[in-house]
Amino acid sequence: QVQLVESGGGVVQPGRSLRLSCAASRFPFSYYGLHWVRQAPGKGLEWVAVISSDGTNKYYADSVKGRFAISRDSSTNTLYLQMNSLTTEDTAVYYCARISWPAGAVAGPFDNWGQGTLVTVSS
Amino acid sequence: DIQMTQSPSSLSASVGDRVTITCQASQDISKNLNWYQQKSGKAPKLLIYDAFNLETGVPSRFSGSASGTHFIFTISSLQPEDFATYYCQQYDNLPITFGQGTRLDI
Repeated sequence: QVQLVESGGGVVQPGRSLRLSCAASRFPFSYYGLHWVRQAPGKGLEWVAVISSDGTNKYYADSVKGRFAISRDSSTNTLYLQMNSLTTEDTAVYYCARISWPAGAVAGPFDNWGQGTLVTVSS
Repeated sequence: DIQMTQSPSSLSASVGDRVTITCQASQDISKNLNWYQQKSGKAPKLLIYDAFNLETGVPSRFSGSASGTHFIFTISSLQPEDFATYYCQQYDNLPITFGQGTRLDI
């Protein structure tokens, strides 16, 4: 079955950077749009960013625009989230998720999720 | 941004009960509304997509319906494994937005 495995989380000081990865397998990676969704401790789900299947279209939540960058590498089937200028408000579990529909969609049901990686921003 | 107002924020129920959760969209989102279940420490799981379609493998006691901008999620007969938090999500427009969640205690 589809597999999404996040990595790269950890403890980082405010103002620093971190890059998250999401290794994808068991589906045609280049056919699907991919999202990052986060969840602060004890809070609800917050959408962060999306990248289209071919990587040309990228959209961000206002809360991360200008600080975070989403990208993908089809040669390694990996999704990335580069996070810069981190603040304590960015502390959360970060999930990657796949849209259920292939071929160009940037929004739709999220039919597969990774297990999440925890990012803690603290001095 | 489209606001999703989900209610109740929490509820207690018993095995065998019928449970209903609602989501109100701040504007027309057609049927572009999904429901997820999240158990403690786990990733969300898609249950219902496009307002009323049951995701493959999801038990038929889960269902969804819609009337305009008002969406309803129902569990017809609660099972012990249904203890979880449930979220609605609209994807009609970016940014994608979620309801605040409903914590279901059994």
